[in-house]
Amino acid sequence: QLQLQESGPGLVKPSETLSLTCTVSGGSISSSSYYWGWIRQPPGKGLEWIGSIYYSGSTYYNPSLKSRVTISVDTSKNQFSLKLSSVTAADTAVYYCARQPPRIVVVPAAIIPGWFDPWGQGTLVTVSS
Amino acid sequence: EIVMTQSPATLSVSPGERATLSCRASQSVSSNLAWYQQKPGQAPRLLIYGASTRATGIPARFSGSGSGTEFTLTISSLQSEDFAVYYCQQYNNWLLTFGGGTKVEIK
Repeated sequence: QLQLQESGPGLVKPSETLSLTCTVSGGSISSSSYYWGWIRQPPGKGLEWIGSIYYSGSTYYNPSLKSRVTISVDTSKNQFSLKLSSVTAADTAVYYCARQPPRIVVVPAAIIPGWFDPWGQGTLVTVSS
Repeated sequence: EIVMTQSPATLSVSPGERATLSCRASQSVSSNLAWYQQKPGQAPRLLIYGASTRATGIPARFSGSGSGTEFTLTISSLQSEDFAVYYCQQYNNWLLTFGGGTKVEIK
C-alpha cells in the first residue's frame, strides 16, 4: 500500500525558505507514471494546490506561488521536495503531499496532473520570528 | 483560473437522512472533478473522481453526478462517521483548483 510522509522544520522565520520533503513508501516514484503534488491548508481554511512534478521531472506550479516555488524529485531516495522562498506569515499552513494520476489532454497536447490520492498526513509549518 | 464554488457552506443533517452537496465551476470542466472528505486533524480522503466514480473502499452511500459546470455529491443515509468537511476539485485545467468546502454537521 502506497504511503506518503511529509517531513521538515515546523517553524520558519519570515523571509527565509521553507523546505519540505515527502518520502514515498510502498512504491517507486520513478517506475510509475504519476504526478506528485503539494497542497497546503492555512489553519481553519480551505485547500490550495501549490504545484506538481511528473515522474520525468516536468512541473506545473500555481501561478500565485510560481515565483517562489521549486518542486524537485530524488528518485534515488524515493522522495520529492518543496521549496518555498521568501515566506511570510501568510504561508503558515498544514502542507500535504499526494500522488496524482496523469490526465492526457489532446488539444493542446499535454499530460497534466489529476486528482490527489493518496495523501500524506500533513505537517504544520508556522512562519514566525 | 477555474473558480469552484460549493454550496451550502454548512449543511445540518440528522443521522440517517440524505445529504446533497453542490459544486459549481466557473467554466466547463467536463467530468474532470473529484470529491474529498476531510475530518478534523486528518488529511483529505478521495471519495469520487471522474465526477461519478467511487474511489477504492468508498461506501456505496456516496455518489457523485454531474458534468460541465454543475456537480452533486450525495450521501444517501448519513452515518456518524460522515460528518466532516467535503471539498470538490477540478483537474480539467492544469491550474488545479478546489472549492471552498461544505461542512456537514449533525442537526
